[in-house]
Amino acid sequence: DTGVSQDPRHKITKRGQNVTFRCDPISEHNRLYWYRQTLGQGPEFLTYFQNEAQLEKSRLLSDRFSAERPKGSFSTLEIQRTEQGDSAMYLCASSLMDRDYEQYFGPGTRLTVT
Amino acid sequence: DAKTTQPPSMDCAEGRAANLPCNHSTISGNEYVYWYRQIHSQGPQYIIHGLKNNETNEMASLIITEDRKSSTLILPHATLRDTAVYYCIVRVLFGNEKLTFGTGTRLTIIP
Repeated sequence: DTGVSQDPRHKITKRGQNVTFRCDPISEHNRLYWYRQTLGQGPEFLTYFQNEAQLEKSRLLSDRFSAERPKGSFSTLEIQRTEQGDSAMYLCASSLMDRDYEQYFGPGTRLTVT
Repeated sequence: DAKTTQPPSMDCAEGRAANLPCNHSTISGNEYVYWYRQIHSQGPQYIIHGLKNNETNEMASLIITEDRKSSTLILPHATLRDTAVYYCIVRVLFGNEKLTFGTGTRLTIIP
């Protein structure tokens, strides 16, 4: 297994458009996390899944954001009606449930909203 | 909110030991100290964690003071590939699944 992968790596979109990102975790990992990182800051937690169940959402995750993990494998993060403030790096991570402190991160998707 | 305080930046000569400090004066008895690093253009990478005893693995050593209010991550022989932002995180072992990152320490290894 080659680790966590994310697609696309870069996305430029106009304000008001919808975007969707994909994350493929390490295959045996039952937990999957989404974080957001802006320039000069550490990653901020957005939400996480255990298998297909979304168990926690940050208050940062406004109603324009939705995440799914339909079959407990890959996950998608959709942002509707993008705003310039959504410009950031979106990071996905995965882990085993009993080692959730050891999260394996993907390379991220860099979103630029113009 | 992050429960740790780290210097914003540090330099270290290549081949020397890099000692990265972290203050966590409000740490609770059941909270562990975790270290991650983030190399430029990559996602964060787990390094090591500990509760109260010193820990060592193939990447680094973690020294936690007896009162557990501070810790030091040691990279014994720093290489240019160790240039990264290093994050110190305090969290319980189980039951709080997210990682709360601060702004970390930007470590630059000087050739």
